[in-house]
Amino acid sequence: QVQLVESGGGVVQPRRSLRLSCAASGFTFSSFSMHWVRQAPGKGLEWVTVISYDGNSISYADSVKGRFTVSRDNSRNTVYLQMDSLRPEDTAVYFCAKDRSTLSPVWNFDLWGRGTLVSVSS
Amino acid sequence: DVQMTQSPSSLSASVGDRVTITCRTRQSISTYLSWYQQKPGNAPKLLIYRASTLQSGVSSRFSGSGSGTDFTLTISSLQPEDFAVYYCQQSFSPPFSFGPGTRVDI
Repeated sequence: QVQLVESGGGVVQPRRSLRLSCAASGFTFSSFSMHWVRQAPGKGLEWVTVISYDGNSISYADSVKGRFTVSRDNSRNTVYLQMDSLRPEDTAVYFCAKDRSTLSPVWNFDLWGRGTLVSVSS
Repeated sequence: DVQMTQSPSSLSASVGDRVTITCRTRQSISTYLSWYQQKPGNAPKLLIYRASTLQSGVSSRFSGSGSGTDFTLTISSLQPEDFAVYYCQQSFSPPFSFGPGTRVDI
């Protein structure tokens, strides 16, 4: 079954850390770039980060640069998002998403997980 | 960063109506534009990429057009399952921003 399943969300205090995971199945995970996209409650979509198929190329949105770190383990078919120095404005549902193209990314997303909610509050 | 707008922000329509949603960017992005549909509580779904290419498995009542700075998503005959929020997204340069969304209601 082709799917992405996120986990690791929860309630966390400001300035603390949280690590999200996204487990992939049903496709050749090691051939695709992977993205994280977030959605604040009742708001629109915000692209967060992308990691290339081999982990050698990474890009971040300015809003999370220096605080979030994306990584992947192709042996476990899993991508991670380490979130440090969390702020209330990071409160959102975090989706992982698969790039539509193999190897060379095209920066659009043809498979999404159901998302995991991160709530940053004291 | 590529700034994006969508119009209208919301619209009311009936089953069978032809619906058009517009997405504009402040700089040219060629045809690096995608459209997504999101229903409440669900993840977005890719409908169109490269401005006009229909994603596999998506109904042919959805179509996209445009290039440069002006793009359109058209639903030829609105069906009950099409009531949702629609987002455009640019894949021209990072950050790969989304438009603010258009809600299509009954």
